[in-house]
Amino acid sequence: DVVMTQSPLALSVTPGQSASISCESSAGLVHTDGDTYLNWIQQRPGQAPRRLISKVSNRDSGVPDRFSGSGSGTDFRLDIHGVQTEDVGVYYCMQGVHWPYSFGQGTRLEIK
Amino acid sequence: EVQIFESGGGSVQPGGSLRLSCAASGFNFNSYSMSWVRQTAGKGLDWVASIDTSGDIKYYGRSVRGRFFVSRDNSKDILYFEMNHLGVEDTAIYFCDLGRYWGQGIPVSVSA
Repeated sequence: DVVMTQSPLALSVTPGQSASISCESSAGLVHTDGDTYLNWIQQRPGQAPRRLISKVSNRDSGVPDRFSGSGSGTDFRLDIHGVQTEDVGVYYCMQGVHWPYSFGQGTRLEIK
Repeated sequence: EVQIFESGGGSVQPGGSLRLSCAASGFNFNSYSMSWVRQTAGKGLDWVASIDTSGDIKYYGRSVRGRFFVSRDNSKDILYFEMNHLGVEDTAIYFCDLGRYWGQGIPVSVSA
């Protein structure tokens, strides 16, 4: 099974500063169709998960442009440029190439 | 406006069954592969099952294979999850991941 490893597992950031979350997969995430199915999911406290980014870097509609995804192969990153208080929550990477699909452990973002 | 209506959760004794439903409107339902994801209290996200756009291809996590069954009705824009032989380890919040949107979560509790 593909293991998704996130780091760090917790972040504490001052509003306005930037934050980065890394996600490493134990296998490459390029599908036979040529796309790389790596998503970033946000879960605010007490809320349902919400997809932020699909296929490494495609931001979903309504997602602020301070969120950006990058990476290739087995190494991926979510950057938040200018963290806002509303960004508090847990962030997960998820691979959708190899069965069973899998999530990272989650990274908890706190606001100082 | 996207709307998602979930139903079917609740409390059941070990060995029992439940059928979850996730009805959606406001987006192109049949364009998305969909999944069921669960989360136990205070823990991370755990992928459980997925179904392709047509409903012909289905994948299950090892812990639920042979007990849980995912299906969809593209004419009604509804995703289903039939859960049989439930055990206490299946207690969780179950989220329908409709590709682009997530449901709010359906609580399932299995206890004697």
